[in-house]
Amino acid sequence: ELKVEQNPLFLSMQEGKNYTIYCNYSTTSDRLYWYRQDPGKSLESLFVLLSNGAVKQEGRLMASLDTKARLSTLHITAAVHDLSATYFCAVEREETSGSRLTFGEGTQLTVNP
Amino acid sequence: NAGVTQTPKFQVLKTGQSMTLQCAQDMNHEYMSWYRQDPGMGLRLIHYSVGAGITDQGEVPNGYNVSRSTTEDFPLRLLSAAPSQTSVYFCASSYVSGAEAFFGQGTRLTVV
Repeated sequence: ELKVEQNPLFLSMQEGKNYTIYCNYSTTSDRLYWYRQDPGKSLESLFVLLSNGAVKQEGRLMASLDTKARLSTLHITAAVHDLSATYFCAVEREETSGSRLTFGEGTQLTVNP
Repeated sequence: NAGVTQTPKFQVLKTGQSMTLQCAQDMNHEYMSWYRQDPGMGLRLIHYSVGAGITDQGEVPNGYNVSRSTTEDFPLRLLSAAPSQTSVYFCASSYVSGAEAFFGQGTRLTVV
């Protein structure tokens, strides 16, 4: 059974600081996604990581994937208040009946002015 | 663009009642899926479909039925609602299995 664990689950940080969210998963995967969710809203796709060593960046967020360690990171650079949200990683595996996404518990990020 | 549309947005049911959560997409996506989101647990896969006429169970299928008679629609049926089914339900679609998923706005269901 695929398990996906994120840490920390709650993160409070000051504007301008850097921090990293970690996503560990228990078995091999085909793809790894990072999503953002604002309170009461749907999920917004941030990044999809396909292969070992993949790195993607968008603004102050950078995601990376180490398939050998079964670890993905989401690094936040010089945080701003607008980044406050819950961030989910999700691991996708292809099975004979179709692909299946397994989500982590989410990291609730609060950026304080 | 409509994308993935879920109805209703909010629903309160009494224990034992049945209802259908609707999900429609206008992107001609083959793959559709339903998730439930509970506090502290992330999203969990209920059922999914790789195309019209084909459905399969996810991680937490008990108490839910699905069918896929058209490419556009993927309704989720609760046959006899229970308080444990109080949750936020998300429908998602993607072009094919394994492609990036697009999520609907969610349905917040309360069973009393």
